[in-house]
Amino acid sequence: EAGVTQSPTHLIKTRGQQATLRCSPISGHTSVYWYQQALGLGLQFLLWYDEGEERNRGNFPPRFSGRQFPNYSSELNVNALLLGDSALYLCASSSMGLNVADTQYFGPGTRLTVL
Amino acid sequence: QQQVKQSPQSLIVQKGGISIINCAYENTAFDYFPWYQQFPGKGPALLIAIRPDVSEKKEGRFTISFNKSAKQFSLHIMDSQPGDSATYFCAARVLRKTDSWGKFQFGAGTQVVVTP
Repeated sequence: EAGVTQSPTHLIKTRGQQATLRCSPISGHTSVYWYQQALGLGLQFLLWYDEGEERNRGNFPPRFSGRQFPNYSSELNVNALLLGDSALYLCASSSMGLNVADTQYFGPGTRLTVL
Repeated sequence: QQQVKQSPQSLIVQKGGISIINCAYENTAFDYFPWYQQFPGKGPALLIAIRPDVSEKKEGRFTISFNKSAKQFSLHIMDSQPGDSATYFCAARVLRKTDSWGKFQFGAGTQVVVTP
């Protein structure tokens, strides 16, 4: 069974640009989570989607947004990029939707570098 | 703002020794406490998790100890092996339907190195 996949692996942008990151969950999983992993800060929760709806979001500005498609894949958009947005962005999926204690399976991440 | 504080930042332990990582949280609404293991170049993977109605949970060489009154929990890795060398993250989550429903708060991570 294929795991969570993310694309691209690496992304280099300049300040002010927009970045789009993509995630494909494990087949059958309806929930997708996005996290930012910056050096020394651990994982910061960004967004949670389930069944196409945004269920909750972390303490990030509105320029971090996303969506979930009917096939449950998801896209994270970061607008007006800042140098501080440079980080590893991780996507995770789970199979039990609104049962929030379910196991999350993480993808390998997208390394975003803002120059 | 780090709602879950993890220590130590790094840890070196000899093969066969015990690795201990501690976490403390502030929000009493948290009611699910997982630990994740992350190898370089990989995403984190769930290792073991506990809910606050129990004080200890053991799975193989990994044990979580939970102290609800102190708002602390810890991971013990018994008989540490070189293959355990990884970064470990504690986390806390709210399961009940509140404004914080589903949000995850992670610790900053502990890099564990097990020497042969």
